[in-house]
Amino acid sequence: GQNIDQPTEMTATEGAIVQINCTYQTSGFNGLFWYQQHAGEAPTFLSYNVLDGLEEKGRFSSFLSRSKGYSYLLLKELQMKDSASYLCAVWSSASKIIFGSGTRLSIRP
Amino acid sequence: GAVVSQHPSWVICKSGTSVKIECRSLDFQATTMFWYRQFPKQSLMLMATSNEGSKATYEQGVEKDKFLINHASLTLSTLTVTSAHPEDSSFYICSAPPTGDSGNTIYFGEGSWLTVV
Repeated sequence: GQNIDQPTEMTATEGAIVQINCTYQTSGFNGLFWYQQHAGEAPTFLSYNVLDGLEEKGRFSSFLSRSKGYSYLLLKELQMKDSASYLCAVWSSASKIIFGSGTRLSIRP
Repeated sequence: GAVVSQHPSWVICKSGTSVKIECRSLDFQATTMFWYRQFPKQSLMLMATSNEGSKATYEQGVEKDKFLINHASLTLSTLTVTSAHPEDSSFYICSAPPTGDSGNTIYFGEGSWLTVV
């Protein structure tokens, strides 16, 4: 079966760093996405990883280890506007894009 | 960049009626479109994959006769919720998978909030 796990909720402090983990077991792998979603809105693209390693893009970085079925999203210099849900999604070999349950991140002042 | 337009954004309908939601790819051709449903504080649940010119592929537990999907052209996919009931009230959203034109990004429609009263 297909399984994508990520923590349900996390809390962090403004200005700090937070790491959101995602583990997956899917039938095949064509890449892993991270999306940000504010309540009531469509998801917005953050990152895409298909090769092992770290991809850095401004305050956000994403890491992938295909052998471990593991990824994380790293958010630096947290801002209040970063309070949102963060969705891990895997593009499987069946050409399906399956989402994890999402991690609700709350930023406190 | 590639854009997916979805409408209506908001719809309220009476129980027992049908509602159609449209997704259009505006500047690229989408042979495949994904339809998701999202309940409050939950993640996106894949309902079905629509394929241009052929039948949609439904995920386990999704009623084909209730959620009719049509992908009549390379730029239009529709989801019709038939005989809607209050438990069908949810956020429905479509997306086009990565293509050579869109790079490695999934492009989402704006989403449709359905309320069945």
